[in-house]
Amino acid sequence: GAVVSQHPSWVICKSGTSVKIECRSLDFQATTMFWYRQFPKQSLMLMATSNEGSKATYEQGVEKDKFLINHASLTLSTLTVTSAHPEDSSFYICSARRLPEVRAQPQHFGDGTRLSIL
Amino acid sequence: AQTVTQSQPEMSVQEAETVTLSCTYDTSESDYYLFWYKQPPSRQMILVIRQEAYKQQNATENRFSVNFQKAAKSFSLKISDSQLGDAAMYFCAYRSARWRDDKIIFGKGTRLHILP
Repeated sequence: GAVVSQHPSWVICKSGTSVKIECRSLDFQATTMFWYRQFPKQSLMLMATSNEGSKATYEQGVEKDKFLINHASLTLSTLTVTSAHPEDSSFYICSARRLPEVRAQPQHFGDGTRLSIL
Repeated sequence: AQTVTQSQPEMSVQEAETVTLSCTYDTSESDYYLFWYKQPPSRQMILVIRQEAYKQQNATENRFSVNFQKAAKSFSLKISDSQLGDAAMYFCAYRSARWRDDKIIFGKGTRLHILP
């Protein structure tokens, strides 16, 4: 149980296009999902916290107009990289906190999306 | 703000031997969770072990155990009987126990090589 699916797993697109990445909790509901970014050989950096039915909370330095987050249901959050440029190329990972929310419950991670902007 | 520090960018261990990965953290909170995550080349994040700060007993999961020193803010991971499949990037991570403030803060990672 507690499977999180990300789609696509790898995307290559031209500079200037927008790319949407989906994060789905397959067998549980999640009011909160998290989006991380990981550059090669570096750690995961939290970009934003996605809350179902409300606006996402962005970390300092993350452009909310650049990285649009929508959490329209209890099983789906999407990250849209708008007008992507080569510097946006990275590995994006989502995680989800399952319901019911109980103490010490771990987050469940997706397998990540490799984004390459040409 | 909380920080997590892993001072060993890379480590190597002979197969079947024991290795310890170091992690220190900084926080003003008294209630929190600590984790070790493994990221193999597939880049999937795999939870190895977790520790609740209010529990004094060190967590153990099969060949993986931690040495949690709350006063020293230290949280090391010991891998016993190392196997080739243990080769991966290991991240130490912190998470507040405050309700709905559970974003995870990761260290920079330690790349573990297993020598056959």
